[in-house]
Amino acid sequence: AQRVTQPEKLLSVFKGAPVELKCNYSYSGSPELFWYVQYSRQRLQLLLRHISRESIKGFTADLNKGETSFHLKKPFALEEVSAMYYCALRGGTYKYIFGTGTRLKVLA
Amino acid sequence: DTGVSQDPRHKITKRGQNVTFRCDPISEHNRLYWYRQTLGQGPEFLTYFQNEAQLEKSRLLSDRFSAERPKGSFSTLEIQRTEQGDSAMYLCASSSRGPVPNQYFGAGTRLSVL
Repeated sequence: AQRVTQPEKLLSVFKGAPVELKCNYSYSGSPELFWYVQYSRQRLQLLLRHISRESIKGFTADLNKGETSFHLKKPFALEEVSAMYYCALRGGTYKYIFGTGTRLKVLA
Repeated sequence: DTGVSQDPRHKITKRGQNVTFRCDPISEHNRLYWYRQTLGQGPEFLTYFQNEAQLEKSRLLSDRFSAERPKGSFSTLEIQRTEQGDSAMYLCASSSRGPVPNQYFGAGTRLSVL
């Protein structure tokens, strides 16, 4: 079965500290993986996708097929990145599977 | 066109009533998705349209749920005989053609079933 696991409901880091939001997936084929972000009172929006190998707002994510992970990283946290982050998978169909989300709180 | 539009934003209904939500996607987008999100959970896929064709439907979508996209533009999601467990945020997203298109989400319709 396709599944996305985000083990942390809440991650608190101090401003300037590195950030790593964990995402593990379960899928037997080659998945397409995404990170979505929802800032306070805003809509859910795409942050990045592994196929593009892009870096957005200093965030990167590497697909590790051996560990079935797609962790989101940022070297230095800023207060404006406090938000809800969702990892999502699309595997072979039109259906997207989202994780339960991690709330990132950057402390001053 | 300022993005995906959903109407109403909030709906309060009594158990057993029928409700209908509308989604207007970004105009050039041919793909449309419906999701349901409950507190503490991520969006849960309900159904997918490509133009007017409903190509995928979650098993979560019971017989009480139906979705349409009659002319390949706006879509409606109807819930018949609502139950308290249907209380959730219903999200719509649209995307353009392409192998891995970006989904643009609406603000959602929050349903409360009393």
